[in-house]
Amino acid sequence: DIVMTQTPLSLSVTPGQPASISCKSSQSLLHSDGKTYLYWYLQKPGQSPQLLIYEVSSRFSGVPDRFSGSGSGTDFTLKISRVEAEDVGVYYCMQGIHLPPTFGQGTKVEIK
Amino acid sequence: EVQLVESGGGLVQPGRSLRLSCAASGFTFDDYAMHWVRQAPGKGLEWVSGISWNSGSIGYADSVKGRFTISRDNAKNSLYLQMNSLRAEDTALYYCAKDRHFGVVPSYFDYWGQGTLVTVSS
Repeated sequence: DIVMTQTPLSLSVTPGQPASISCKSSQSLLHSDGKTYLYWYLQKPGQSPQLLIYEVSSRFSGVPDRFSGSGSGTDFTLKISRVEAEDVGVYYCMQGIHLPPTFGQGTKVEIK
Repeated sequence: EVQLVESGGGLVQPGRSLRLSCAASGFTFDDYAMHWVRQAPGKGLEWVSGISWNSGSIGYADSVKGRFTISRDNAKNSLYLQMNSLRAEDTALYYCAKDRHFGVVPSYFDYWGQGTLVTVSS
């Protein structure tokens, strides 16, 4: 199975400040079709996960543009340009190139 | 609006069975693969099983292989998970998730239900 490793595991951020989460995969997520199957989800407290970013850097419908994704191969980053109170929760990266789809451990983001 | 509503969870003794259901609406169900993903209390996300649009391709996590069976009824816009020989470590919130693609792999989940809780305990 592909192992997804996130850092840090927790983050305390002042509103309006940026935040960054790293995700590394044990194998390349670049498919022969040219796409890279790396995704970011946010699970807000008491809610189900919601898709933020697909294929490394594309924002899902309705996701604010303060969220951005980057990276390639095995190294990826989620950035929040200016954290807002509604951004609290646990962020997960996920790979979908091989079965089983696997998730990172999660990064808990809280507001200072 | 995409809606996924899970049901069928509950308290069950080890070794017994349970069948989960997921009712889908707001999209063309038989165009997409579907998955079950679980989350043990206070833990992260674990993919359980996935099924392609026409049930032609199915996958399972090693932890449930041989015990769980995924199926779908496109006429009823419904996804199922038959869980047999349940163990304490199967205790989790089980989410139904829609895939963006028609096949099981590559896979990603664009919509999730609210989950149904399965507790395995004597």
